[in-house]
Amino acid sequence: KAGVTQTPRYLIKTRGQQVTLSCSPISGHRSVSWYQQTPGQGLQFLFEYFSETQRNKGNFPGRFSGRQFSNSRSEMNVSTLELGDSALYLCASHNLAGKGYEQYFGPGTRLTVT
Amino acid sequence: GESVGLHLPTLSVQEGDNSIINCAYSNSASDYFIWYKQESGKGPQFIIDIRSNMDKRQGQRVTVLLNKTVKHLSLQIAATQPGDSAVYFCAENGAGGGADGLTFGKGTHLIIQP
Repeated sequence: KAGVTQTPRYLIKTRGQQVTLSCSPISGHRSVSWYQQTPGQGLQFLFEYFSETQRNKGNFPGRFSGRQFSNSRSEMNVSTLELGDSALYLCASHNLAGKGYEQYFGPGTRLTVT
Repeated sequence: GESVGLHLPTLSVQEGDNSIINCAYSNSASDYFIWYKQESGKGPQFIIDIRSNMDKRQGQRVTVLLNKTVKHLSLQIAATQPGDSAVYFCAENGAGGGADGLTFGKGTHLIIQP
């Protein structure tokens, strides 16, 4: 089975712009979660989608949003980019939603905001 | 609030020796824990998990120990190899409460000396 894929792998944007990142989960997985990884804050949960519905959301401002399509692919969007949004954005998938299960991660998208 | 944290940021061991990476958690209701390995430029890779009804679980060259009394878990890697060099994270994703999504510790950088 192919793993979780994320595109693009690297991205450079300017403050004030918006960005859309894409994630394709492992085939058959219906749950997709997004995480932000920075040296200072570590790995932090952004949100989780299951069957096209957002189930949970972490403590991030409304500039961070996401969606999931009927084929379980997911996108996340960050509007009005700030320098502090520079991070590795990771997507993880599982065939079940919620807690009590491991998640499988993609390689991430490295976003640099200048 | 809930947190999952690692005691040591860096651990250096000789190739062939055993490694022990520690993790403390604060949410006594946590009932599911995972260890991830993250190599440079890659997303976290699942290593092993353990549920709170167990004290110990073994995998290939890895063992996870859970001490619920002091809210501590550890990852033991036997006969470390150069490929074990990575950052190791403990994470909690239990149904017993806590933040949504995986809650990660800060990570321990394991360095294997030749």
